[in-house]
Amino acid sequence: EAGVTQFPSHSVIEKGQTVTLRCDPISGHDNLYWYRRVMGKEIKFLLHFVKESKQDESGMPNNRFLAERTGGTYSTLKVQPAELEDSGVYFCASSQRSEAFFGQGTRLTVV
Amino acid sequence: AQSVTQLGSHVSVSEGALVLLRCNYSSSVPPYLFWYVQYPNQGLQLLLKYTSAATLVKGINGFEAEFKKSETSFHLTKPSAHMSDAAEYFCAVSPFGNEKLTFGTGTRLTIIP
Repeated sequence: EAGVTQFPSHSVIEKGQTVTLRCDPISGHDNLYWYRRVMGKEIKFLLHFVKESKQDESGMPNNRFLAERTGGTYSTLKVQPAELEDSGVYFCASSQRSEAFFGQGTRLTVV
Repeated sequence: AQSVTQLGSHVSVSEGALVLLRCNYSSSVPPYLFWYVQYPNQGLQLLLKYTSAATLVKGINGFEAEFKKSETSFHLTKPSAHMSDAAEYFCAVSPFGNEKLTFGTGTRLTIIP
């Protein structure tokens, strides 16, 4: 069974540009989470989908971040326009019950 | 509100020595506690979790953790370190087990040959 897959693995963009990160959860998992780790600090929660609905988006830093999960399958996280402080590793996780399975993360560098 | 404190951002132990990674938590409700490991160039992998059953939890790769409510701790141990244990370890807490996780800052474990 395939695990949680994230694309791209690395992205380097200039300040002001737009970047879209994608997460493919484990098939059948209703819960999908986005997390971010900035500069070696703690991994912080961004938001939680249950199927296609946003259950909790309290961790989204500002309105430059837009997450979608069309059809309750894969999810995208768009940053527009990107700022230097958005650099970090973005993790996606999915779960059906109690255990969350994480993807490898997307390392975003804004220069 | 919940929080996690991991003491020691870097820990080095000799191969064959005891591994002890510390985690203290704060939670307003009985917590679910987790240890995750991240090997180089890989995602986070669940090592073990505490869900209010036995206080001593055994995980994969010989790791275990003990939940101590009086000390609000959930330290991770392994009796004998192996070179393959070199990785970054994260302690996390969740209020209901299937909700968002609150992570500590992580501890990078280095194994000395």
